[in-house]
Amino acid sequence: KQEVTQIPAALSVPEGENLVLNCSFTDSAIYNLQWFRQDPGKGLTSLLLIQSSQREQTSGRLNASLDKSSGRSTLYIAASQPGDSATYLCAPAGSYQLTFGKGTKLSVIP
Amino acid sequence: GAVVSQHPSRVICKSGTSVKIECRSLDFQATTMFWYRQFPKKSLMLMATSNEGSKATYEQGVEKDKFLINHASLTLSTLTVTSAHPEDSSFYICSALTGETGTEAFFGQGTRLTVV
Repeated sequence: KQEVTQIPAALSVPEGENLVLNCSFTDSAIYNLQWFRQDPGKGLTSLLLIQSSQREQTSGRLNASLDKSSGRSTLYIAASQPGDSATYLCAPAGSYQLTFGKGTKLSVIP
Repeated sequence: GAVVSQHPSRVICKSGTSVKIECRSLDFQATTMFWYRQFPKKSLMLMATSNEGSKATYEQGVEKDKFLINHASLTLSTLTVTSAHPEDSSFYICSALTGETGTEAFFGQGTRLTVV
């Protein structure tokens, strides 16, 4: 059974800082891994999708890396903004089913 | 990205009544949709996989008679919480897969169900 751990559980940074969110998973037999953000009381917004054959993906200020063999992924956010405040979830996909961690709650202080 | 629309976003119902939640893929066809439940400060828990034209596949521990899933078309799946009780109060989210490889998940806005 896939288990996903996200560290840290919560993070507070001043605006403008670069930051890294960590995700580890126990079963490396995955098709891909997605990073999502979730605002309070809302659904999930897909940020980045990394296929199992890829090492990283970039979208704007976001960069996600994947080391499938070691069961790790990181989400790098450059020049953080208050609008980045949300909970970030990583979800490796095996057999087209996603397994979620508990997320990292990010607060960017103006 | 693709759009998945979920309705309603909030619903309050009395104990013993049934509530239907709709999940629609607006700009793509989804043969498979997924229903999740989210408890406060917990991970999303997969409840069931909804397959168009066939029976849903429920995860272990999820009562299929309480959580009825119907996937009658390629763009619509519904989750009906039957004979709701206060412990069914939760945040329910649906998702569907699409994208270039058919493996990217997009989620609805979620439904906050409160049973009083």
